Amino acid sequence: RKEVEQDPGPFNVPEGATVAFNCTYSNSASQSFFWYRQDCRKEPKLLMSVYSSGNEDGRFTAQLNRASQYISLLIRDSKLSDSATYLCVAVSGSSYKLIFGSGTRLLVRP
Amino acid sequence: NAGVTQTPKFQVLKTGQSMTLQCAQDMNHNSMYWYRQDPGMGLRLIYYSASEGTTDKGEVPNGYNVSRLNKREFSLRLESAAPSQTSVYFCAGSSDRGRNEQFFGPGTRLTVL
Repeated sequence: RKEVEQDPGPFNVPEGATVAFNCTYSNSASQSFFWYRQDCRKEPKLLMSVYSSGNEDGRFTAQLNRASQYISLLIRDSKLSDSATYLCVAVSGSSYKLIFGSGTRLLVRP
Repeated sequence: NAGVTQTPKFQVLKTGQSMTLQCAQDMNHNSMYWYRQDPGMGLRLIYYSASEGTTDKGEVPNGYNVSRLNKREFSLRLESAAPSQTSVYFCAGSSDRGRNEQFFGPGTRLTVL
């Protein structure tokens, strides 16, 4: 079993739609979590950190459920420019190694 | 600030050839990392360096060596390239303060024939 698992998608949604991605992690000792965004043939870029109380950044909301060991990302009012692969990331236990999921691909159509 | 830079952007090698991938950062990061990314596998950690002068193995270190030349530079060497090392290689840095957000370079696309 992979340490961080994501639905690979693709999620194909119209502009303006709300879309949610979930991610599960297996290491209960993981303390920090992130969502990264990766455009085709580009490097991953930090989208947002995920805090225990949940956090919002504009149209993006991240949630953490420690009891069920999953993380979610909600995108409201999708834009064409949101089309990308979204990577779920957990910091491995007490170390500072990042464990990446394989990514969820989002396609936003006009 | 250039952030994290990598050279070369593209490289084609023949099996058995050697090469060094270069990475440099001007973000004053203490820690630096090398990852490889393959389709369907996500990013996998090859080696990392928590500080100048230290290096440690990650998930997939076999076939690679690294050098943390100074705080800014962290190189990855393939001594005898194999087709299984065809991949996209990313270097990253982090400040280690707080949550360990990592910032990535643009990547090197390597093909081994």
